[in-house]
Amino acid sequence: AQSVTQPDIHITVSEGASLELRCNYSYGATPYLFWYVQSPGQGLQLLLKYLSGDTLVQGIKGFEAEFKRSQSSFNLRKPSVHWSDAAEYFCAVGLSFGNEKLTFGTGTRLTIIP
Amino acid sequence: DVKVTQSSRYLVKRTGEKVFLECVQDMDHENMFWYRQDPGLGLRLIYFSYDVKMKEKGDIPEGYSVSREKKERFSLILESASTNQTSMYLCASSLIRTDYGYTFGSGTRLTVV
Repeated sequence: AQSVTQPDIHITVSEGASLELRCNYSYGATPYLFWYVQSPGQGLQLLLKYLSGDTLVQGIKGFEAEFKRSQSSFNLRKPSVHWSDAAEYFCAVGLSFGNEKLTFGTGTRLTIIP
Repeated sequence: DVKVTQSSRYLVKRTGEKVFLECVQDMDHENMFWYRQDPGLGLRLIYFSYDVKMKEKGDIPEGYSVSREKKERFSLILESASTNQTSMYLCASSLIRTDYGYTFGSGTRLTVV
């Protein structure tokens, strides 16, 4: 079964600084990969996804993520964070065929300091 | 804009009560899911449904049941609420294929006292 690891439970970044959130997955084939964001008290919103092709994918709110097959990673990046980026971020992996569920990581909480 | 709507944002129920959490989607999605979210534990799948009247247990089904009588509606039922079911409950829906990901509702924060 596939699994997703987000090794950082909590990250604090200064406003305007760059951000990288880590995500590693365990799966035999190339999966579909997703990043979601959850603002306080809200549901999850899709930021971006990797299905195939170009390994650098762009998402909403200025985020991007890079799929690295050799490292089984799909790290989320943003060059300059804004206070509104404070939220919880979830990485998820899905099979590229069939009707299967997504597997979610345990999330990384992002705090932005002025 | 496509939506998944959860009927309540906040609920307070007493121990032993039967609790219904309702979720409706307007996207004609085949799959629907119920998760609970607790600090440090991420999202844990309770039940999911891939068709009307079809359901499968997720990772933590104990103490819960579900109902899907219509394609657009998926209900989560706590037969006898307990304090350890105090949590945030998230509903999601998706097409059969996973490449579109899930669409989530805004969540229901349930407190059992």
